[in-house]
Order: sequence, then C-alpha cells, then structure tokens
Amino acid sequence: DAGITQSPRHKVTETGTPVTLRCHQTENHRYMYWYRQDPGHGLRLIHYSYGVKDTDKGEVSDGYSVSRSKTEDFLLTLESATSSQTSVYFCAISEKDPQETQYFGPGTRLLVL
Amino acid sequence: SQQGEEDPQALSIQEGENATMNCSYKTSINNLQWYRQNSGRGLVHLILIRSNEREKHSGRLRVTLDTSKKSSSLLITASRAADTASYFCATVVSNFGNEKLTFGTGTRLTIIP
Repeated sequence: DAGITQSPRHKVTETGTPVTLRCHQTENHRYMYWYRQDPGHGLRLIHYSYGVKDTDKGEVSDGYSVSRSKTEDFLLTLESATSSQTSVYFCAISEKDPQETQYFGPGTRLLVL
Repeated sequence: SQQGEEDPQALSIQEGENATMNCSYKTSINNLQWYRQNSGRGLVHLILIRSNEREKHSGRLRVTLDTSKKSSSLLITASRAADTASYFCATVVSNFGNEKLTFGTGTRLTIIP
C-alpha cells in the first residue's frame, strides 16, 4: 500500500454526528482521491484534490466535504452522517495525472447507525 | 450506469487453469486499467492499456483491448490460490482535461486448490 495510510480503519457512529476520515501519504503525489465502495456499485469518486487547497467534486459528493492543507493529508468530512453513508471509504493517490495509475490505501469501514 | 461492466460477476476455477474476465464499456476511452482487490484490502493496480494499444503482458497477466467492440479482457494464466480476489476494470474517458477513472463492479475470482 504505497505509503498511504487511512485513519481510522473502522468507525461506528450515529446518524447526525460529524465524522472526519484522514488520508496520509508519504509519496509526495500531487493528486489525491476519496472513493466509496458499495456492493453493486464498484468504486465511486466522492471528491479529489489536484494540489494543496485545490479540490473538486466527484460523482457522489453530496453530504461530503474535503480539505487539503498539506500535500500529504486529505481529509474527508461527513458533516452530518446518514445511514446511506455506511460504506467502505478508500483514499487513492496518483503522481501526475488522474488518468494514470492510482495507488490505494487500505480503506476505512464506516457504519452509521 | 457504469461506464465499465465486468463479466462474469463471479468465476470459480481449479488451480492451474486459466481465468478470463471481460470488461465492456460505453464511450470512447483514453485508457483502460485493471485492478485487483483482495478481501478487506485496497485495490492494487495491475495493468494500464492505452487506446492505441491492443495487447499488454505482465507476468502471468495478459490484457487485450478491442476499441471497435469497446471491450477488454484480462487473462490470468496458470492460476494460483493467491489469485483469489476481485478484479476491476477502470476506464478513462476524455473530458477536456477533467478525466477521471470510472470503475466497474468487478469480477470475483475464486481459485479452488
């Protein structure tokens, strides 16, 4: 898992509470991504970043926000968690271009009760 | 709807046999990538094939791309128990500098010892 860590690895929370997931990389890659993985849907892009303080929305961004204040850290926040956000969340990085190889973190399993 | 769709959804074969998975997509692509995911882990990049390439090899892996049929196949030769995993294709569609990876729902491969 190419120098990518995610924290926490598992989390259980209640509906309506805020949740922040962290992705940390040691590769100094420019691009960082947050995906969610759900049965029957494959991986879907939530948000991505193309540099410090530069972020954009993906396919399923509603209910999520992100921040990137340092090259190595990309935070995903669920402002008010809902049961539909129960999922496995993956962070990924790529060096130069979103079209090229992406390297994935180990994932965070989130359960919203 | 998914840009890339893998077929079959699940495949079980005996160790030593070859495994073939297919991916079909809807719109013209810049490149197509294959990833592997072991249970409970992040995705691992296997091969990237560009739209002007027809075949690529990496060890026991062979990927073909037929842009006229909008399809790709992943062949794993001489399968091993360690090849048991889910395999995903991901496509990149030209989008005026805003290209992203779009993942299919995957093929679950089981190698029977």
